[in-house]
Amino acid sequence: EAGVVQSPRYKIIEKKQPVAFWCNPISGHNTLYWYLQNLGQGPELLIRYENEEAVDDSQLPKDRFSAERLKGVDSTLKIQPAELGDSAVYLCASSRGGANTEAFFGQGTRLTVV
Amino acid sequence: AQSVTQLDSHVSVSEGTPVLLRCNYSSSYSPSLFWYVQHPNKGLQLLLKYTSAATLVKGINGFEAEFKKSETSFHLTKPSAHMSDAAEYFCVVRALGGNTPLVFGKGTRLSVIA
Repeated sequence: EAGVVQSPRYKIIEKKQPVAFWCNPISGHNTLYWYLQNLGQGPELLIRYENEEAVDDSQLPKDRFSAERLKGVDSTLKIQPAELGDSAVYLCASSRGGANTEAFFGQGTRLTVV
Repeated sequence: AQSVTQLDSHVSVSEGTPVLLRCNYSSSYSPSLFWYVQHPNKGLQLLLKYTSAATLVKGINGFEAEFKKSETSFHLTKPSAHMSDAAEYFCVVRALGGNTPLVFGKGTRLSVIA
């Protein structure tokens, strides 16, 4: 089966510009996650969806970050405006749901804000 | 709340010698525990998972981990390191009884010396 697909793989933008990331999860996976990974750190959760509902977005900086998962499949994560400190890898993952199921990760989008 | 502590940020071993990557967890509920590996410029890949069945869990590429509730530990081991094992390893916890996300440790970088 196809894995989690993210695009773009790399993005370089100037500060204050908007940017968007796209994620296509594994077919049939109801749970979708967006994680942020800074250099040398473990991934940190930004938002988690169960189908189209955001069930955990407490770590999402809502003044500049937004996300959506229309129809409970693909998802987009947007930053507007981007700041220098947003430079990081943005990871998308999906799972079938349930506490003992693992998540499958995409390759991530490496964002550089200059 | 859940948390994970990876006790070593960097471990270096010689090829052919045993590997031990240490992980301690904290969870309000019975946990599910996972180990993921991340090779440079690659996505996160699941090595193994513990979900309240056998306490000794075998994973891919010869890795295994033992769940020890009394010590709140889930250390990752491999009898003989291979050059291709050099990567970043993440210990991950999720509360089995709660609707919670995956919580990552900060990671341990494994170097394998020829």
